[in-house]
Amino acid sequence: EAQVTQNPRYLITVTGKKLTVTCSQNMNHEYMSWYRQDPGLGLRQIYYSMNVEVTDKGDVPEGYKVSRKEKRNFPLILESPSPNQTSLYFCASSYGTGAGRETQYFGPGTRLLVL
Amino acid sequence: AQKITQTQPGMFVQEKEAVTLDCTYDTSDPSYGLFWYKQPSSGEMIFLIYQGSYDQQNATEGRYSLNFQKARKSANLVISASQLGDSAMYFCAMRRKSGGSNYKLTFGKGTLLTVNP
Repeated sequence: EAQVTQNPRYLITVTGKKLTVTCSQNMNHEYMSWYRQDPGLGLRQIYYSMNVEVTDKGDVPEGYKVSRKEKRNFPLILESPSPNQTSLYFCASSYGTGAGRETQYFGPGTRLLVL
Repeated sequence: AQKITQTQPGMFVQEKEAVTLDCTYDTSDPSYGLFWYKQPSSGEMIFLIYQGSYDQQNATEGRYSLNFQKARKSANLVISASQLGDSAMYFCAMRRKSGGSNYKLTFGKGTLLTVNP
């Protein structure tokens, strides 16, 4: 089944404790991206990646890191989480360009609470 | 700057009736993509339908159709024969195609659809 998976789905942590949210897709997509969703602010892009070893900042990259060592995986790293990073996080992927190829498919989301 | 506007915070519809969710967009790019996503209360983001800016015909996917009016910069979602399971938040989104390499989606604020039995 074609899908984007994220782990964990739910996470409660404390300020300053490093964490990683994993994202994996099995559709051979080149493009991957992380978004966060907050009430009243909607969905905002954190980082994106056009291909292996190619990543760049989105709208709200502060406090986050990413890596793309393999095409299928795009983990999101919070080196020192803070309470303002409490949010619902989505990973998404697509082929990239061209009709029918640019649709971004989302993972199930990760609910993060930073105390 | 790109902008997506969804003017209906909430909508109600009777089961089996059709409903239109409004979306207007603002962009100076000549080439762009428009999407609708559904987010049920469980939180996942489900792709519904896509319309490319150069597509001549309105997109359709089962009970979903996109009423694309390029000159008016609108991309309304029409759901025919509403079902109880259609109750969810619906987001309109746009992705720029021209310029740059980021395929970022810009989302509207969403419309909460409630289907009444």
